[in-house]
Amino acid sequence: KAGVTQTPRYLIKTRGQQVTLSCSPISGHRSVSWYQQTPGQGLQFLFEYFSETQRNKGNFPGRFSGRQFSNSRSEMNVSTLELGDSALYLCASSLGTSGDEQFFGPGTRLTVL
Amino acid sequence: LAKTTQPISMDSYEGQEVNITCSHNNIATNDYITWYQQFPSQGPRFIIQGYKTKVTNEVASLFIPADRKSSTLSLPRVSLSDTAVYYCLAATGNTGKLIFGQGTTLQVKP
Repeated sequence: KAGVTQTPRYLIKTRGQQVTLSCSPISGHRSVSWYQQTPGQGLQFLFEYFSETQRNKGNFPGRFSGRQFSNSRSEMNVSTLELGDSALYLCASSLGTSGDEQFFGPGTRLTVL
Repeated sequence: LAKTTQPISMDSYEGQEVNITCSHNNIATNDYITWYQQFPSQGPRFIIQGYKTKVTNEVASLFIPADRKSSTLSLPRVSLSDTAVYYCLAATGNTGKLIFGQGTTLQVKP
């Protein structure tokens, strides 16, 4: 069974631009969660989608948004990029019920110049 | 304010047992505590998960006291390949938001 895939793996943008990251979950998984990882803040939860609905949300500004499609694939978008948005963005998929193991993708490394 | 706290780093030697404790105040009463392992340039990988008391699988044990304000990941007989960053994850009691600990960098020496 294929694992979680994320595209692109690396991305360089400049301040003020916007970016869209994509995540394809493991087949059959209905939940996709997004995390931001930085050396200073560690792993921080962005949001979770389940069956095309946002089920949970972390403490990030509205510039960070996401969506999930009917095939469970998910995208996250960051608008008006700031230097501090440079990070590794990880997505994780699970079946979606409480206590499910989350399977992480390799991440997208975003650099904002 | 919910917070999840772990030691920043730990050193061990091959063959030793390693215990990493995570403190998580204000944890959700009905949610699991999960531990992940992360190697450089990879996403975190699930190690073990529990709700209370003790859970054991083929790679680790997880001890959770009755008050669930902490959890201890136990790695028996570590090897060099266990050198990695270990994270605990729990949901906060108020909002259900998932909070990762800051990660414990475990260095296993020969």
